[in-house]
Amino acid sequence: GAVVSQHPSRVICKSGTSVKIECRSLDFQATTMFWYRQFPKQSLMLMATSNEGSKATYEQGVEKDKFLINHASLTLSTLTVTSAHPEDSSFYICSASGGRPKPTDTQYFGPGTRLTVL
Amino acid sequence: GQQVMQIPQYQHVQEGEDFTTYCNSSTTLSNIQWYKQRPGGHPVFLIQLVKSGEVKKQKRLTFQFGEAKKNSSLHITATQTTDVGTYFCAQGSQGNLIFGKGTKLSVKP
Repeated sequence: GAVVSQHPSRVICKSGTSVKIECRSLDFQATTMFWYRQFPKQSLMLMATSNEGSKATYEQGVEKDKFLINHASLTLSTLTVTSAHPEDSSFYICSASGGRPKPTDTQYFGPGTRLTVL
Repeated sequence: GQQVMQIPQYQHVQEGEDFTTYCNSSTTLSNIQWYKQRPGGHPVFLIQLVKSGEVKKQKRLTFQFGEAKKNSSLHITATQTTDVGTYFCAQGSQGNLIFGKGTKLSVKP
């Protein structure tokens, strides 16, 4: 299957700082990337959907000015958590779908980034 | 909004016993996908069901899509300790996925 990487895998930061998480599709071109958040013992919650070269579409209740998403190329999307606070501590997972020359709706997930805000 | 209800939330089985998790929707689903997330890991795609009444098998795993396309099940025959994890169903909707809450499976050797 397709490979999606995420970096960093774990980050601890102080309250008020910004954290950038990278999501890369390693062996296919992803036309769409998704960002999810997962709190302990809970399901994945979609935060936003981004298509290469266009603005991300945010789910209801997700602050677009706080969670900045950039999808600059078909293999890279970034999520920046701005002015992070302890309540932003969570497991952030990206996924990618699309692909050329055989597009697919299947989402391939990255390994996730565990963010802890002190 | 649309959502899939998944039961049970937890299932503890003895190794060798069977396991089933169910997903139900009040609306007709265009497709349903199943994922497995190992403890501390990320979701891994297992399968997608599209057709009414569809049944697919992967070794000891059997996936079913209801005739009305409103429910789905994942059945594991003779569980092994490697089956532990959380199994999520997810409905595909306009390219997005809406996840059920998952069923956490633990297997006692």
